[in-house]
Amino acid sequence: AQKVTQAQTEISVVEKEDVTLDCVYETRDTTYYLFWYKQPPSGELVFLIRRNSFDEQNEISGRYSWNFQKSTSSFNFTITASQVVDSAVYFCALPIQGAQKLVFGQGTRLTINP
Amino acid sequence: DGGITQSPKYLFRKEGQNVTLSCEQNLNHDAMYWYRQDPGQGLRLIYYSQIVNDFQKGDIAEGYSVSREKKESFPLTVTSAQKNPTAFYLCASNGRSTGANVLTFGAGSRLTVL
Repeated sequence: AQKVTQAQTEISVVEKEDVTLDCVYETRDTTYYLFWYKQPPSGELVFLIRRNSFDEQNEISGRYSWNFQKSTSSFNFTITASQVVDSAVYFCALPIQGAQKLVFGQGTRLTINP
Repeated sequence: DGGITQSPKYLFRKEGQNVTLSCEQNLNHDAMYWYRQDPGQGLRLIYYSQIVNDFQKGDIAEGYSVSREKKESFPLTVTSAQKNPTAFYLCASNGRSTGANVLTFGAGSRLTVL
């Protein structure tokens, strides 16, 4: 069965520090996508990235980067030079193959202190 | 601007009462979803619908009901059979143009049972 584990429940860092959010997944599918979503204090989740299991290259978007390692079933998310606006709950997710629905991890609450 | 509107934002209910949460989208998306969020448990899927007049149970459908009479609307009824209805409820949608499982979320409805 599909499963996503985000072991870090809460992380708190000081502004400008780098921070990595961990995501470990389980799937029996040979090809799959992985996702990250951000939930700011307003409550509305926002899509950040979708990654195909074929592509193990790191993805970088501004201060955000994602490290996908199939060998360890991990899809970690790093924020470089964190800012207070990065404070949110971050969710990693994995689709159920053959069904248009996602399984979400428990989420990591990230607090960036000024 | 296109998006998802959930109402009400906050709702209080007495035990034994049914309550309906509204979800409307103007994105022309075919698929719509209801998730429940509890602290430390991530998002759990209640119901989803991929086309009008059709919907499927998610992982925690007991005590909930939905309808999909119009493409734009996917209301969720929390019935008195739901044992622990106090939670944050999120509606989401997905369309072919955005890519599989790239969800757009509403701002959520927080239900509290008194």
